[in-house]
Amino acid sequence: DAEITQSPRHKITETGRQVTLACHQTWNHNNMFWYRQDLGHGLRLIHYSYGVQDTNKGEVSDGYSVSRSNTEDLPLTLESAASSQTSVYFCASSGTSGRVLYFGPGTRLTVT
Amino acid sequence: KQEVTQIPAALSVPEGENLVLNCSFTDSAIYNLQWFRQDPGKGLTSLLLIQSSQREQTSGRLNASLDKSSGRSTLYIAASQPGDSATYLCAVKVSSGGGADGLTFGKGTHLIIQP
Repeated sequence: DAEITQSPRHKITETGRQVTLACHQTWNHNNMFWYRQDLGHGLRLIHYSYGVQDTNKGEVSDGYSVSRSNTEDLPLTLESAASSQTSVYFCASSGTSGRVLYFGPGTRLTVT
Repeated sequence: KQEVTQIPAALSVPEGENLVLNCSFTDSAIYNLQWFRQDPGKGLTSLLLIQSSQREQTSGRLNASLDKSSGRSTLYIAASQPGDSATYLCAVKVSSGGGADGLTFGKGTHLIIQP
């Protein structure tokens, strides 16, 4: 069955370190997204991609970057982790029609 | 800017009851609306998607309605079961493009079904 996987599922890192969260989907979807979920804020869009070599900034992109070198993967990099980036991160994907959004299981990141 | 509000934020009901979750949005010019379920520590699972031209969608014991003119959607759960306990989120999409740049989420309703 097609799916979206994220790794690691849990990560603790120190302030100032570079961190990369992996997202891999087997739906063959062109559209992939990264969200963060925080109490009181709900889900907020960080970055998204409509296809290979395409990346776009979302609502809360400062301090984050993504790259899309193939259809299946959209890694999210925190350039210099900050305590404000402690959150649960979700990767999602959808087909070109922009219909149903499929989510991964999430990565809980703690920055100390 | 589109804002999505879900009321109530939390709800606890006995097993077997029929219940309604509410979602309201400020800009009626939407492309579609989607209801999701989120279990603790898990990702979101899409339950129902209603296109702007549709009035409702049904899946099993779930029925979602959409009234664009009033900026409202409801998720009706019939004969609730303890396994329905989860957080339910609605999200509206304002653009017809394939991306999520126009997708705005509510903060969810945390539902507990008491056995």
